[in-house]
Amino acid sequence: NAGVTQTPKFQVLKTGQSMTLQCAQDMNHNSMYWYRQDPGMGLRLIYYSASEGTTDKGEVPNGYNVSRLNKREFSLRLESAAPSQTSVYFCASNEVNNQPQHFGDGTRLSIL
Amino acid sequence: GEDVEQSLFLSVREGDSSVINCTYTDSSSTYLYWYKQEPGAGLQLLTYIFSNMDMKQDQRLTVLLNKKDKHLSLRIADTQTGDSAIYFCAESGSSNTGKLIFGQGTTLQVKP
Repeated sequence: NAGVTQTPKFQVLKTGQSMTLQCAQDMNHNSMYWYRQDPGMGLRLIYYSASEGTTDKGEVPNGYNVSRLNKREFSLRLESAAPSQTSVYFCASNEVNNQPQHFGDGTRLSIL
Repeated sequence: GEDVEQSLFLSVREGDSSVINCTYTDSSSTYLYWYKQEPGAGLQLLTYIFSNMDMKQDQRLTVLLNKKDKHLSLRIADTQTGDSAIYFCAESGSSNTGKLIFGQGTTLQVKP
């Protein structure tokens, strides 16, 4: 009963390093999302993929890139990490519009 | 634009009822959701309500929707210490992409 799986769970980077966060879902969902969660700011959408082969910017896309590798997997890449990207990153997926999103357990990323 | 507002903090005594409130702006939202986030974990879907409903009850949880005032509330009866968490309200918005708009989250503290 895996649902949405994110790896790694924790990571510490130095400023300027690159990193790819992985997300996979086993529910055959069409849509996948990447959020960041910062204290007092709720969840902010970084990028989303409404279906395999498509990606779109969310509210805070600067400094990030994404790849929808196949229907199961949606990765988030930081090309040159900055301290402002220290956050908890969540991946989510859902089947179709207006269906609940299912979340992974998050990746806690610190950039020094 | 689309916006969801919640109060940031609520403290109750064990056994009391808790009421967490949320206001949203997009009257075209089809569904409104409540998620629960325990420390160090992802978001877990608690319940959701279709926009043509006024109320939904699920065991200790009661959701009330006032479409005229764009106000959503979550009532937890007989609140337990295990209910201590952050509760997020979310609306589906007018987009057809499956995106959700989240509030900032309300931290519920339950005192023994």
